Amino acid sequence: AQSVTQPDIHITVSEGASLELRCNYSYGATPYLFWYVQSPGQGLQLLLKYFSGDTLVQGIKGFEAEFKRSQSSFNLRKPSVHWSDAAEYFCAVGFNKFYFGSGTKLNVKP
Amino acid sequence: DAGITQSPRHKVTETGTPVTLRCHQTENHRYMYWYRQDPGHGLRLIHYSYGVKDTDKGEVSDGYSVSRSKTEDFLLTLESATSSQTSVYFCAISTRHNSDNEQFFGPGTRLTVL
Repeated sequence: AQSVTQPDIHITVSEGASLELRCNYSYGATPYLFWYVQSPGQGLQLLLKYFSGDTLVQGIKGFEAEFKRSQSSFNLRKPSVHWSDAAEYFCAVGFNKFYFGSGTKLNVKP
Repeated sequence: DAGITQSPRHKVTETGTPVTLRCHQTENHRYMYWYRQDPGHGLRLIHYSYGVKDTDKGEVSDGYSVSRSKTEDFLLTLESATSSQTSVYFCAISTRHNSDNEQFFGPGTRLTVL
């Protein structure tokens, strides 16, 4: 069965520190992979996506993610976090039907 | 931003009443989706559509039905609302051509069933 695991429910980092959010998936084949961000009371905004090719993908707002086939992972990274990055982040996988992780809430300390 | 609207944006209803949520797109995308979002569960797919009159179930379809009579509209119906259906409902659209198979989300509908 398809599933997406985001093992960290909450993460707190200091402003300016680096960030890594983890995502592991279970799927029959290598699916399309996505990271979305959601601010409180808002809809979801696409940060980045992986379909094929280079396993390191760049997204908006300075985020990047690396696909590792051997680990079935698609971790999101940012070298220096800004206070405005505080939000909830969702990993998603699929083709025409998409499966989402349960999300990671990011808090940023001043 | 993709042209997706949802109506109503907020609704409070009573247990046992029927409820219909509407998703409208102006992008002419083939695929449309209904998700519900609950704390600790992320987004879960309720139903999706891959064309006019073509729909399929997602992982949490019990208690919900959908219809798509036009490309631009995808309706989600709760035949008899229950308190467990209190949630935030998101509509999404996508197009599958070449590598552009990402989803665009609507603003959400907050439904409260008393």
